[in-house]
Amino acid sequence: GNSVTQMEGPVTLSEEAFLTINCTYTATGYPSLFWYVQYPGEGLQLLLKATKADDKGSNKGFEATYRKETTSFHLEKGSVQVSDSAVYFCALSGAFQGAQKLVFGQGTRLTINP
Amino acid sequence: DAGITQSPRHKVTETGTPVTLRCHQTENHRYMYWYRQDPGHGLRLIHYSYGVKDTDKGEVSDGYSVSRSKTEDFLLTLESATSSQTSVYFCAITGVYQDTQYFGPGTRLTVL
Repeated sequence: GNSVTQMEGPVTLSEEAFLTINCTYTATGYPSLFWYVQYPGEGLQLLLKATKADDKGSNKGFEATYRKETTSFHLEKGSVQVSDSAVYFCALSGAFQGAQKLVFGQGTRLTINP
Repeated sequence: DAGITQSPRHKVTETGTPVTLRCHQTENHRYMYWYRQDPGHGLRLIHYSYGVKDTDKGEVSDGYSVSRSKTEDFLLTLESATSSQTSVYFCAITGVYQDTQYFGPGTRLTVL
């Protein structure tokens, strides 16, 4: 079945550091890939997505490229801010009866220190 | 922000009691989902709905039932709550031909 494996956390960085959170997946077919972010006390919100191989999703300075050859979708940001502190989830979707059934990684907690 | 609300936001109950969580949307989206979030597991799909009265099981459906009698409401019921169902529950919605799910604020359930 489909699965997502994320980099173990927690991750602690200083402000303006470079960020990489690794994500690899196993899937049949050609799923869409997502990064969701969860700020303290809130629900998940979409950060970025990519729907086919070699697509790059980007938003708020974050980027991730859909790499079919390495089955990866690593999240990167060149210079993190304190406000980026949150839990980040990698996910893939497999459509069934039109519903998008998301499969999530375990989440990576990111803390940015000033 | 997508119009999704969940109620209650927090609940403490005792083992063996029935519990119903409600998800309400104002977006008229066709698809609705219930997930649970547990440390080390990310979010896991419990049940989903692809229309009024049309529901199906997800990855972790044992001990849960759902109902959807109208487009805007999706109910999750724990018939007899157990301590293993202590979790944070999230509802999500998505529309036809959309691949992005929009999440509600969550319900924190504690079963003593």
